[in-house]
Amino acid sequence: DVKVTQSSRYLVKRTGEKVFLECVQDMDHENMFWYRQDPGLGLRLIYFSYDVKMKEKGDIPEGYSVSREKKERFSLILESASTNQTSMYLCASSLGSAGGKLFFGSGTQLSVL
Amino acid sequence: AQTVTQSQPEMSVQEAETVTLSCTYDTSESDYYLFWYKQPPSRQMILVIRQEAYKQQNATENRFSVNFQKAAKSFSLKISDSQLGDAAMYFCAYRRETSGSRLTFGEGTQLTVNP
Repeated sequence: DVKVTQSSRYLVKRTGEKVFLECVQDMDHENMFWYRQDPGLGLRLIYFSYDVKMKEKGDIPEGYSVSREKKERFSLILESASTNQTSMYLCASSLGSAGGKLFFGSGTQLSVL
Repeated sequence: AQTVTQSQPEMSVQEAETVTLSCTYDTSESDYYLFWYKQPPSRQMILVIRQEAYKQQNATENRFSVNFQKAAKSFSLKISDSQLGDAAMYFCAYRRETSGSRLTFGEGTQLTVNP
């Protein structure tokens, strides 16, 4: 089975801190995604990547950046955390083929105080 | 831009009964995919069912089936013989045929199953 692992299940940070959320997948998937989940808003795409060192903005990229130096790892970076970035963050991966199934991690609940 | 709308924030059903979750979407594309994902309290998203827009036949997976109405841009999920383990947040999602695996999600419907 594909495994998508997010480094932290819960994280508490202070306003202004630089925050790294890490995601690793073990099935050699080309595509990786970062979503943010908020009550009443569903999942919204922050950034995605179709290949190493490649990234594209999703629907809500402001205040975030990403890094993909290796195929299996996709990092989400909050350059200066703010309280409105308190949320559940979900990482996902998939094969590059059309119709590829998305596999999700278990999420990181981030609280910015 | 494509949008996905789930108008029922919460639904409840009695164990062994049938429940239908609603989803509508907006797109100008003719080829696309639609999905229902389940997120239990463990937070692990699980793919429940998938429908290709070019297929007229509604997808089914055991107790889960969809009613896909392409002209009406409607994609509802029917859960038959509901079980306590079906209690979860359910998300409807849309993907363009040409956009790789990028999904657009609805707001979610929280399903409660009463014993």
